[in-house]
Amino acid sequence: EVQLVESGGGLVKPGGSLRLSCETSGFTFSDHSMAWVRQAPGKGLEWVSSISASGSYISYSDSVKGRFTISRDSARNSLSLLMSSLRVEDTAMYYCTRDFGLGDFWGQGTLVAVSS
Amino acid sequence: QSALTQPASVSGSPGQSITISCTGTSSDVGRYDYVSWYQQHPGKAPKLLIYDVTNRPSGVSNRFSGSKSGNTASLTISGLQADDEADYYCSSYSISSPWVFGGGTKLTVV
Repeated sequence: EVQLVESGGGLVKPGGSLRLSCETSGFTFSDHSMAWVRQAPGKGLEWVSSISASGSYISYSDSVKGRFTISRDSARNSLSLLMSSLRVEDTAMYYCTRDFGLGDFWGQGTLVAVSS
Repeated sequence: QSALTQPASVSGSPGQSITISCTGTSSDVGRYDYVSWYQQHPGKAPKLLIYDVTNRPSGVSNRFSGSKSGNTASLTISGLQADDEADYYCSSYSISSPWVFGGGTKLTVV
């Protein structure tokens, strides 16, 4: 059974940093691209960042470029998102999802709240 | 403002069929056959319903079907059930931003 489990969310002040993790199981992690998608409270889905299966190709939305860093660890079957210079508008539920552009499996999400 | 345009809400009665539209441009929906649809119940993660415009993942009911014409994709749900009440999102590959989503449509089963 494919499982994606996010962690690392919490309350942080504007300008602060946070590292999200996504532990995966039930599939061959190194065969799949991965992505982070977020959802602000009461709003729609927004693609944040993605990384290819090999880790060679990485992309970011304009709203997070230069502030967020995506990475993957095939030894641990995990995906990470290092978020820095956080803004109030980054407040959202952050989902880890498999296969960029498809999203065939999603984690339950981890909530990030940016507030002073 | 979302890249893809969906109606904010639709409604239908049990047993009826409804269609949700997803309008993009020649840079996304009209260019690629990589349109997906997701169902999201309150407090839950999105669930993939349709991918590559018309394909259903294993385990998804055949009451859900997808199509595309020009720059507009559509999701049709037939034989509406109470549990279909949820938010629905479309997505597509895009030239401008690799993965774009619609603003979401709230389906009410009355």
